[in-house]
Amino acid sequence: GNSVTQMEGPVTLSEEAFLTINCTYTATGYPSLFWYVQYPGEGLQLLLKATKADDKGSNKGFEATYRKETTSFHLEKGSVQVSDSAVYFCALTGRDYGGSQGNLIFGKGTKLSVKP
Amino acid sequence: NAGVTQTPKFRILKIGQSMTLQCTQDMNHNYMYWYRQDPGMGLKLIYYSVGAGITDKGEVPNGYNVSRSTTEDFPLRLELAAPSQTSVYFCASRLQGEDYGYTFGSGTRLTVV
Repeated sequence: GNSVTQMEGPVTLSEEAFLTINCTYTATGYPSLFWYVQYPGEGLQLLLKATKADDKGSNKGFEATYRKETTSFHLEKGSVQVSDSAVYFCALTGRDYGGSQGNLIFGKGTKLSVKP
Repeated sequence: NAGVTQTPKFRILKIGQSMTLQCTQDMNHNYMYWYRQDPGMGLKLIYYSVGAGITDKGEVPNGYNVSRSTTEDFPLRLELAAPSQTSVYFCASRLQGEDYGYTFGSGTRLTVV
């Protein structure tokens, strides 16, 4: 079945450091890929998405590229800020060959802490 | 535009008690979902609905029930609360055919003692 694996946390970085959070997936058909962010005490918010191979999603300085050949969707940011401290979830919705979109499947989440 | 609204935000239940977690959305989304989030485990799908009158089980449905009498509302019912149901519960919705991801509520933190 479909699944998402993301790197274990927590990740602690200093402000202005480079961030990479690895995410790989297993899926049949043509999945759409997402990164969600959860700030302390809040629900999940969509950070970025990519719906087909080689698409690059970007938002708030974060980027992720849909790599079908390596089944990956790694999240990157060139210079993190204290306000980026949150839990980040990689997720996918499978899509079968008939085009029907499946339900959202999440990785376990990676907690990021950014120190001033 | 309120989005997805969940009530209550916090609740403590005693073992064996029952309660309903409320979820309503004002975006006319036809798909709605209930997830539970346990520490270090990501989110697991409990139940979902593709439209009024239609519901289906997700990955972890045991101990829960749902109904979908209107497009807007998707309540989650716990009949006999158990400590294993201590978790944070999230409701979410989306439009069929929209590939923009889901809109989530802010969650209900439930503790069963």
